[in-house]
Amino acid sequence: GENVEQHPSTLSVQEGDSAVIKCTYSDSASNYFPWYKQELGKGPQLIIDIRSNVGEKKDQRIAVTLNKTAKHFSLHITETQPEDSAVYFCAASITGTASKLTFGTGTRLQVTL
Amino acid sequence: EADIYQTPRYLVIGTGKKITLECSQTMGHDKMYWYQQDPGMELHLIHYSYGVNSTEKGDLSSESTVSRIRTEHFPLTLESARPSHTSQYLCASSSPLAGLYNEQFFGPGTRLTVL
Repeated sequence: GENVEQHPSTLSVQEGDSAVIKCTYSDSASNYFPWYKQELGKGPQLIIDIRSNVGEKKDQRIAVTLNKTAKHFSLHITETQPEDSAVYFCAASITGTASKLTFGTGTRLQVTL
Repeated sequence: EADIYQTPRYLVIGTGKKITLECSQTMGHDKMYWYQQDPGMELHLIHYSYGVNSTEKGDLSSESTVSRIRTEHFPLTLESARPSHTSQYLCASSSPLAGLYNEQFFGPGTRLTVL
C-alpha cells in the first residue's frame, strides 16, 4: 500500500519568513496530493491540493510543487503570519471510487512574532 | 463550510462502559470515514464506508465497530471501553460530486478519555 513520509515534524519560523514542508510517497500510481491544516481543537481542513498532471499550484501565500519522477511534493507558505500556526498534513491518493487518503505524519508549524 | 457534526466533543468514562460516538453530515456524501488521532498527531484510518450498508476496516486495527444504516449517519461503537482507547476520534466524509479527487471534510472530533 501507499506510504507517505513527511518532514519536518516540527517547524518554527519568524513572522514574515517562509516555511517549507516536504513529503514523499511510495506508490507511483498516486495522482492526487492534498494538504490539510488542523488548528487546535478542530478537524483538518483542506487548504490546497495538486493533481499529477500539474507541477505547481499557487493560492495567494500558499503553493504546492510536485515532482512525479522523484515522488515528492512540497508545501510552501510565504510571508507567514501567526494564524498560520497549526499542524499541517500532506496526503496521497489514487482517485476513483475506492480511493482513500494516506496521510503523512504531520508537521507542527509555529510562527513566532 | 462543511456540515459534518460529531457528538459528544469530549467524553470521560470508566473502563468497561459501552459508548457510541456520533457522526452526521448533511451534505449527502456517500463516503464516510473514522480516523483515530494519537497525541503524536498522526491520523490512522480505522473504518470507512462507501454508502448505506457498506462498512470496511481501515489500515489500523480497532476494537470499535461501525454501522451505516442511513447516508447521513455513521456512528462508532466501543462495546467495552479500555484506557488504551483513549484518543481523539475524527469523522470525515467525501463525495465524487465534490470533485473526482476525494476531498474529505472533517468533523471537529471527539476526545475520548477512558479511566
